[in-house]
Amino acid sequence: EVHLVESGGRLVQPGGSLRLSCAASGFIFGNYWMSWVRQAPGKGLEWVANIKEDGSEKYYVDSLKGRFTISRDNAKNSLYLQMNSLRPEDTAVYYCARTHDGWPFDYWGQGTRVTVSS
Amino acid sequence: EIVLTQSPDFQSVTPKEKVTITCRASQSIGSSLHWYQQKPDQSPKLLIKFASQSFSGVPSRFSGSGYGTDFTLTINSLEAEDAATYYCHQSSYFPWTFGQGTKVEIK
Repeated sequence: EVHLVESGGRLVQPGGSLRLSCAASGFIFGNYWMSWVRQAPGKGLEWVANIKEDGSEKYYVDSLKGRFTISRDNAKNSLYLQMNSLRPEDTAVYYCARTHDGWPFDYWGQGTRVTVSS
Repeated sequence: EIVLTQSPDFQSVTPKEKVTITCRASQSIGSSLHWYQQKPDQSPKLLIKFASQSFSGVPSRFSGSGYGTDFTLTINSLEAEDAATYYCHQSSYFPWTFGQGTKVEIK
């Protein structure tokens, strides 16, 4: 059974940094692209970033380029999102999701909540 | 950026009624359009992939159709457990985008 578990979300001050993690199990992690998707309180879904199976290609929503970095460690079956220069508008639940090149998000984690506030 | 526009934004429906949600893309995306269901305080779940293919384990009352710019999600004979927000998503071009969501309420 595919299982994705996010962690690392917490309250952080504006301008701060945070690293989210996603632990994957139940499938061959290194065979899939992975994604981060976020959802601000009471709002819809927003795609954040994708990373190819071997980490050689990364794609980001334009508004976050330069502040957020997606990465992975296939030996640890783990996905990461490094978030820098955080702003109040980054407040959201961040989901880890499995995907592939041009595929849908077929499995999602339960999400981890990030709150950016002073 | 490809903009996905869903309609309606909200629908109040009685059980056993048929529900139709549309998703229009700002340019052609072929069949790279997917549908998700999100219940309150839960993660989204994939319902339909590539416009019309049902995802594993999804009840047969959910179906999808369309190609290019116009897509439809149909729920035949709505059940109480189908109360949720439904989103379309395109994976044809980066940045990947979602529709704004359609909330379905049970009367």
